[in-house]
Amino acid sequence: QKEVEQNSGPLSVPEGAIASLNCTYSDRGSQSFFWYRQYSGKSPELIMSIYSNGDKEDGRFTAQLNKASQYVSLLIRDSQPSDSATYLCAVGSSNTGKLIFGQGTTLQVKP
Amino acid sequence: DVKVTQSSRYLVKRTGEKVFLECVQDMDHENMFWYRQDPGLGLRLIYFSYDVKMKEKGDIPEGYSVSREKKERFSLILESASTNQTSMYLCASRGLASSYEQYFGPGTRLTVT
Repeated sequence: QKEVEQNSGPLSVPEGAIASLNCTYSDRGSQSFFWYRQYSGKSPELIMSIYSNGDKEDGRFTAQLNKASQYVSLLIRDSQPSDSATYLCAVGSSNTGKLIFGQGTTLQVKP
Repeated sequence: DVKVTQSSRYLVKRTGEKVFLECVQDMDHENMFWYRQDPGLGLRLIYFSYDVKMKEKGDIPEGYSVSREKKERFSLILESASTNQTSMYLCASRGLASSYEQYFGPGTRLTVT
């Protein structure tokens, strides 16, 4: 079992729709969770951090965390073509201090 | 604003050459990291440094070494470049107060021919 799992996609949504990106992780002791956005040929950009169960909203982005289910998700409301990118889920390891990255989900927002 | 810079965006080297990749951060961060990213393999940690002159092996350290003589600078060294080291190399930094948040530089796309 991979430590951080994401569906590779592509996930295709129409412009204006809600995009839902999901991630599961195996380390029950993890306390920190992140979403990075990576455009093709560019480096990952941190867009959301979440540390407590529940929802955290920042503009059109909402991160959701459920530690009991070991599940973290990212919702993008009113999706725009500029949101088309690969989204990486990252989880802080409870015993090494390192970030464990998923393989990423490719999102395509169609005009 | 967080700023991590890398010495080159694109680099082409020949097999057997010694290659230096430089990373500089201006946030006074204690921790710095070197990753490589390849299609289908995701981000893989090569080396990291918790503080000046300290270094730890990551998941794929073979063929690489690092140097951290100053807090703001972390260098990745390919002792004898090989074609299987053709990749995107990403540097990241993290402050101790930032709860694992890592910030990436723009990346260096290295091609070894």
